[in-house]
This record gives sequence, structure tokens and C-alpha cells, in this order.
Amino acid sequence: DTGVSQDPRHKITKRGQNVTFRCDPISEHNRLYWYRQTLGQGPEFLTYFQNEAQLEKSRLLSDRFSAERPKGSFSTLEIQRTEQGDSAMYLCASSLGGAFPQPQHFGDGTRLSIL
Amino acid sequence: AQTVTQSQPEMSVQEAETVTLSCTYDTSENNYYLFWYKQPPSRQMILVIRQEAYKQQNATENRFSVNFQKAAKSFSLKISDSQLGDTAMYFCAFMKHVGFNKFYFGSGTKLNVKP
Repeated sequence: DTGVSQDPRHKITKRGQNVTFRCDPISEHNRLYWYRQTLGQGPEFLTYFQNEAQLEKSRLLSDRFSAERPKGSFSTLEIQRTEQGDSAMYLCASSLGGAFPQPQHFGDGTRLSIL
Repeated sequence: AQTVTQSQPEMSVQEAETVTLSCTYDTSENNYYLFWYKQPPSRQMILVIRQEAYKQQNATENRFSVNFQKAAKSFSLKISDSQLGDTAMYFCAFMKHVGFNKFYFGSGTKLNVKP
């Protein structure tokens, strides 16, 4: 169990630029989640994949956001035309599926700063 | 809609003493799951303890225990024999039984354990 890996750890970019984050879940986990955490707040759900299928998207995920999970392995989260309000920590988590909820294992997150 | 409220932004406790963190939630669901996660400074979130709503018995994990009051929609975390390594943000989280595909997190309580 190597844990959930996220890359990069930090990203600083100018407003209007596009950014892409990567998440590598624990290898046997078929469920993958993206959350956004702003300073002083708890994480907020963005989207969820089961294998390669994106099954739910939050209203927080505007048209500028897109997430993919090709082949049901790693996932990418892209933000186009970044805005100041996108500055946050983006967390990825993964879990096993099953009849009962399994613990979600979180990565270290990608901290995005918009200049 | 589900909401989770943590009314204590910050708490302090002396090493070896006991502290209780509060959490209340609002839901119309009858079956659900509750969790406490710990987020040490600059480190990933770690599951502390979980509780199934259909279980009357309060969950316990070593020094961590919960007081689950379903009617009052209250889910507090008690940490006994506090250790310096318990210093962290603690998040209370709710998950619906149906689909169990995402967490609803509270805003967190910052716990400082003092030597």
C-alpha cells in the first residue's frame, strides 16, 4: 500500500492560465474522489469516479473544471482560465467499493495559488 | 441537504488529559455513516473512527471514542490520554448510506495538545 499520490504538491500560476493536477489512487481502489479545501474550511466534494465512469459532479465544478479517469487508474483534474477564487487545496481520495462504505484514503493534496 | 457543524474552531488540552470535540449534523436520512478524520499540519487526512447510524453502541478505537446521539444528531469525539501527536485539525464527516459516494465535512476543530 503506497498510498494516494498527488502531483504536483504546489502550483503557482497566473490568473487565466490552465492547470492540471494528477492523482494516483491506491492500486486496488476502484473509487476515486476529488475535494477542494479552502483555508479554514473542511473539504468540499467536487466529483467522484467509479472505475473510469464519472458518476457525480458537484455544482461547485463549473464548466472550467474537467476531470478524467482514463482506464480507471489515475485521474486528472484540469482547471481552465483560472480565477483568484480557484486558490485552494485540491484533495484526492480513493476507496474500495462494496456493500458498505469503505474508508477513503486521502493524498497530500495539491495547493493551488493564483497570482 | 446534509450539513455538518463543528462549533469549536480551536481547542487546547494538556498532554495526558481528556478532550471532547463536538459535532452536530442535519439530515433527513435514517441510515448513514459518521466519521472523524484527523489532518496533522501539512500532512494528509487520516481516518480516526467511524460510526454506523444503525448501531446503538458507540465506536471505540484505542484512545478515541465517540458519543453518538442519533435523536439529537450529535456525534462528539473523545480523546483520552492526549498525546502531542494528536495535535491536528479534526474534521467530522457525514456520508449517506445510499451510494456512499462522498463526504460532507464540517469546518474542523484545531486541537492543540500542550506539553
